[in-house]
Amino acid sequence: EDQVTQSPEALRLQEGESSSLNCSYTVSGLRGLFWYRQDPGKGPEFLFTLYSAGEEKEKERLKATLTKKESFLHITAPKPEDSATYLCAVQALGFGNEKLTFGTGTRLTIIP
Amino acid sequence: SAVISQKPSRDICQRGTSLTIQCQVDSQVTMMFWYRQQPGQSLTLIATANQGSEATYESGFVIDKFPISRPNLTFSTLTVSNMSPEDSSIYLCSVGTRETQYFGPGTRLLVL
Repeated sequence: EDQVTQSPEALRLQEGESSSLNCSYTVSGLRGLFWYRQDPGKGPEFLFTLYSAGEEKEKERLKATLTKKESFLHITAPKPEDSATYLCAVQALGFGNEKLTFGTGTRLTIIP
Repeated sequence: SAVISQKPSRDICQRGTSLTIQCQVDSQVTMMFWYRQQPGQSLTLIATANQGSEATYESGFVIDKFPISRPNLTFSTLTVSNMSPEDSSIYLCSVGTRETQYFGPGTRLLVL
């Protein structure tokens, strides 16, 4: 069974204080690893999909990296508007399989 | 990215009743999914809504409890039947390709 574990559950940072969020996964065969941002009262907002170990993707202050066992979401010099819950999900290989298995998320708070 | 709307955005229902949630997309999509996000838990896939055929349900979810319709490529409904307080959750519609899945704003359901 596919599993995703995110850590820490919650993280408070001062504005400008860089850090990383972790997503550890076990999957029979990885097709893709997804990162989402979710603001309170809203649906998840797509950020990145990573497909193979060593791949990196960037968007503004966010950079996602992938290894064979985990992914990191690096946040550089965060701003208060980066405060949100960040969700990680995996998609397994398999014909016709588009199911995403999610972790429980990391709740990030950036303090001005 | 697709623009996804859901109705209602929130509702409070009595146990034993049923609620139908609508999902509308601004473009034709092949893949449409329904997820549940229970308080403090990760998103869980309920089923894949297939156009022109019966929905494909994940383990632990059954058609009698969560009937789904998909009359065309832009619209789907999820019904939560014979509700109990344990059905209190956020229900999310998702559309996309194998590489990217976009989520609607969600329907917040409270069952008393």
